[in-house]
Amino acid sequence: AQSVTQLDSQVPVFEEAPVELRCNYSSSVSVYLFWYVQYPNQGLQLLLKYLSGSTLVKGINGFEAEFNKSQTSFHLRKPSVHISDTAEYFCAVSDQAAAGNKLTFGGGTRVLVKP
Amino acid sequence: DAEITQSPRHKITETGRQVTLACHQTWNHNNMFWYRQDLGHGLRLIHYSYGVQDTNKGEVSDGYSVSRSNTEDLPLTLESAASSQTSVYFCASSEVSLAYNEQFFGPGTRLTVL
Repeated sequence: AQSVTQLDSQVPVFEEAPVELRCNYSSSVSVYLFWYVQYPNQGLQLLLKYLSGSTLVKGINGFEAEFNKSQTSFHLRKPSVHISDTAEYFCAVSDQAAAGNKLTFGGGTRVLVKP
Repeated sequence: DAEITQSPRHKITETGRQVTLACHQTWNHNNMFWYRQDLGHGLRLIHYSYGVQDTNKGEVSDGYSVSRSNTEDLPLTLESAASSQTSVYFCASSEVSLAYNEQFFGPGTRLTVL
């Protein structure tokens, strides 16, 4: 079984400032890692995912995430946020060896970008 | 364009009533999922299906059921709605059963049980 912990439930940030959203996971098996974003009143959409290879993953809208196996973390960053980045962000994992692609989600981090 | 839709978008019902939430996708995806979203819990898996006539329980399946009679639809039924089932429900689909595959989400249904 896996579990995902997002360490911050809310992150207020000023426009054009950097932001980091923290995600730690616990798993007895190898996992794939995902970040999804949910804009207000919408469903989730994929920001980026880590499968293998380079530990730095680039996603859409200027976001990137770094996989750290020793710390079982997958933190999301953006060097300069825009008002439009106001959203809720979810970290998720899936079991590499399992049949199917069920996701286990963290509790989410709400990002509020202030002008 | 292919899409995934949910209906209704908002629903208010009373305790004890049966409620069915619809999910329809035109991606022709084999895999479909139902999640509920609650503050602080993120999304939790209720039921999922990897094809027609296939259904499986997720981590919070008690009080919910699904059936898959065709590729496009996976309706979620609350047999006897309870206040604890007040939540936002999301349907998702994915193309194949590979762990690295992206899931595509519908816009959600906000359900209130009074």
